[in-house]
Amino acid sequence: KAGVTQTPRYLIKTRGQQVTLSCSPISGHRSVSWYQQTPGQGLQFLFEYFSETQRNKGNFPGRFSGRQFSNSRSEMNVSTLELGDSALYLCASSLYRETDTQYFGPGTRLTVL
Amino acid sequence: GESVGLHLPTLSVQEGDNSIINCAYSNSASDYFIWYKQESGKGPQFIIDIRSNMDKRQGQRVTVLLNKTVKHLSLQIAATQPGDSAVYFCAGASGSARQLTFGSGTQLTVLP
Repeated sequence: KAGVTQTPRYLIKTRGQQVTLSCSPISGHRSVSWYQQTPGQGLQFLFEYFSETQRNKGNFPGRFSGRQFSNSRSEMNVSTLELGDSALYLCASSLYRETDTQYFGPGTRLTVL
Repeated sequence: GESVGLHLPTLSVQEGDNSIINCAYSNSASDYFIWYKQESGKGPQFIIDIRSNMDKRQGQRVTVLLNKTVKHLSLQIAATQPGDSAVYFCAGASGSARQLTFGSGTQLTVLP
């Protein structure tokens, strides 16, 4: 069974731009979570989607948003990019129950110049 | 809120020895814990998890121990191999919360 896939793997943007990242979960998984990983802050939870609805949200500004489609694929968007948004953005999928294990994709490396 | 940390940022072990990676958490309500391994350039890879109604859980070459009294968990890796070199994260969650709170990670280096 294919794992979680994320596209693109690398992105370079400039301050003020916006960016959209994509995540395809493991087949059959209906929950998708997003995390930001930086050397200074480590891994931090952004949000989680299930059945096209945001079920949980972390402490990030409104510039960070996401959505989920009917096929469980998810996208996250960051508007008005700041230098501090440079990070590895990780997507994790799980079946659907809150206790199901989350499996991570390889991440998208975003660099903001 | 939840706070999860790790005791040591780096750990070096000889190939073939056992490794023990420690983690502490602050939220007494945390009832689910998970260990991930992250190799350079890759996303975190699931190793093993444990729920708060258990004290110990074993997998292939790995054992997780949970001590709820002192809010501590550990990951033991038996017969450590070069392929075990990676950053190891513990993460916790409580109740119905789906967001995992991650520790800062321990870099495990296996020496030949």
